[in-house]
Amino acid sequence: NAGVTQTPKFRILKIGQSMTLQCTQDMNHNYMYWYRQDPGMGLKLIYYSVGAGITDKGEVPNGYNVSRSTTEDFPLRLELAAPSQTSVYFCASFSDTATNEKLFFGSGTQLSVL
Amino acid sequence: LAKTTQPISMDSYEGQEVNITCSHNNIATNDYITWYQQFPSQGPRFIIQGYKTKVTNEVASLFIPADRKSSTLSLPRVSLSDTAVYYCLVGDTASYYGGSQGNLIFGKGTKLSVKP
Repeated sequence: NAGVTQTPKFRILKIGQSMTLQCTQDMNHNYMYWYRQDPGMGLKLIYYSVGAGITDKGEVPNGYNVSRSTTEDFPLRLELAAPSQTSVYFCASFSDTATNEKLFFGSGTQLSVL
Repeated sequence: LAKTTQPISMDSYEGQEVNITCSHNNIATNDYITWYQQFPSQGPRFIIQGYKTKVTNEVASLFIPADRKSSTLSLPRVSLSDTAVYYCLVGDTASYYGGSQGNLIFGKGTKLSVKP
């Protein structure tokens, strides 16, 4: 199993550009999450999904959009990149079986908006 | 949603036992308590999870009092490689416990520094 895979690992954007951060998991998890982590800070929840076709806002959703058309994929879209979106983005999926309830994180995408 | 409060930082020396306490005064009946460890430039990884009393695995112990308003992560005999940020997460997600909200919010975490 690959677990949670994020692409790209690094990206530099200019102000106003758009991009999609990709996230895919091969564990058949229903729950998926996007977090951002600013330097030296904790994780902030952007969006989450409890299953295909269902998404909901987290703590800091402004400037982002998500979709969940399949169980495996949960892309995060930045429409008009701003310097405040410079951060490391982590995607995670959650196993909700009775014996294995935990988040599995990807390796992150480091994004700089200049 | 249960808000968590942890010390911002802790220092320890190799070989010592480290206890990190997390406060979660408004924990709900369906909430469980999970601790994660994060090294620089990596995503957090699961350490231990519990609902009440004491849980132990190969790397840590988790102590939860009867009122469940706090929890303590215990790391026995820490080494330099245990230097990391530790997060306490209280959430109601697992269908096993009847949860359905899916909203898992992390606190600020505790930065543990282990010195030689």
